[in-house]
Amino acid sequence: SYVLTQPPSVSVAPGQTARITCGGNNIGSKSVHWYQQRPGQAPVLVVYDDSDRPSGIPERFSGSNSGNTATLTISWVEAGDEADYYCQVWDTSSDVVFGGGTKLTVL
Amino acid sequence: EVQLVESGGGLVQPGGSLRLSCAASGFIFSDSWMSWVRQAPGKGLEWVANINQDGSWNFYVDSVKGRFTISRDNAKKSLYLQMNSLRAEDTAVYYCARLVNVPAVTEYFQYWGQGTLVTVSS
Repeated sequence: SYVLTQPPSVSVAPGQTARITCGGNNIGSKSVHWYQQRPGQAPVLVVYDDSDRPSGIPERFSGSNSGNTATLTISWVEAGDEADYYCQVWDTSSDVVFGGGTKLTVL
Repeated sequence: EVQLVESGGGLVQPGGSLRLSCAASGFIFSDSWMSWVRQAPGKGLEWVANINQDGSWNFYVDSVKGRFTISRDNAKKSLYLQMNSLRAEDTAVYYCARLVNVPAVTEYFQYWGQGTLVTVSS
């Protein structure tokens, strides 16, 4: 089965840039999607197809994907960005796969 | 405005059954693949099941095959999850979601409901 690996936690000061990685075997050949889940709330799609943003998602959120690592980048981090972030792909053998999630802490 | 509202969660004993419902509005339900995704307390997200637009295709994670059944009623704009032979490890918040499906390429969850909690315990 296909496995996605995320760091458990990332910390960043307000106004700085946060980078959350998602590792997988040849993940660059797949489309990667990212979800934000604030405490006590449902997940929200913030990036799809590696780097596209749904309407209403700030341009501060961007994504990239190459080789064995996909990255969600959050520029000019705000306190409201503090949340859990999950990457997700579709795999022919495993169907939908989520990463374990990364807790973003805004210092 | 898109809304997905789940209901039907609660406390059930091991081996018992429960039926979850999800009422959809704000998008063309009958044109949409739909899914259930769950999250155990303090844990990450886990995909549970998908269903296509007319209900003729459905897919399940291995751990629920033979126990859970996903279905839909397009006239009522509703999605369902019948859960039988429930186990303690099925305890989770269950989310209803609209799935964007690009055949043999990718799938992702465009909209999510607020979830309903299922607790399996004696």
